[in-house]
Amino acid sequence: EAGVAQSPRYKIIEKRQSVAFWCNPISGHATLYWYQQILGQGPKLLIQFQNNGVVDDSQLPKDRFSAERLKGVDSTLKIQPAKLEDSAVYLCASSPWTGGTTEAFFGQGTRLTVV
Amino acid sequence: KQEVTQIPAALSVPEGENLVLNCSFTDSAIYNLQWFRQDPGKGLTSLLLIQSSQREQTSGRLNASLDKSSGRSTLYIAASQPGDSATYLCAVAVSYNTDKLIFGTGTRLQVFP
Repeated sequence: EAGVAQSPRYKIIEKRQSVAFWCNPISGHATLYWYQQILGQGPKLLIQFQNNGVVDDSQLPKDRFSAERLKGVDSTLKIQPAKLEDSAVYLCASSPWTGGTTEAFFGQGTRLTVV
Repeated sequence: KQEVTQIPAALSVPEGENLVLNCSFTDSAIYNLQWFRQDPGKGLTSLLLIQSSQREQTSGRLNASLDKSSGRSTLYIAASQPGDSATYLCAVAVSYNTDKLIFGTGTRLQVFP
């Protein structure tokens, strides 16, 4: 089966600019996650969708980050305006979710550099 | 607040050695624990998933154990190969309703010929 697809793979922007990332999860997976991985750290959950509803966005900096999942499939994550500290790899993951027992599948990520 | 720690942060071993990576977590109320592999510039690949009711899982040369009461997991890699060189991350699922994963900072493994 096809894996989680993300684009672009790399992005370099200047601070205060805006940027958007796209994710297409594995077909049939109800749950979609966006994680932020800063160099040298483990991934941190930004937002989680169950179908097209938000389940957890407690660590999403809502003054500059936004995310949506239209029709419960594809998702976009936007940063506006970007700061230097947003430089990181943004990972999208999906799972079929059966409640506390499921395996998450990750995409290759988008590496963002803010200069 | 759940915290996940991995020791060592980096490890360099000669090919053929058996090795153990450690993961500890502060809150034993987890639903599962997963071990991932991350190659440079790549996403995460799931290696093993241990449900909270299980003690261990095996896949090929990999064996992962889980001791919830002590808040520990180990990943055992037998007969290491240069192709095993990568960063290994462990993550715990902390909520039945959301499958939210809390990750450790990883162990960077280098296996040299």
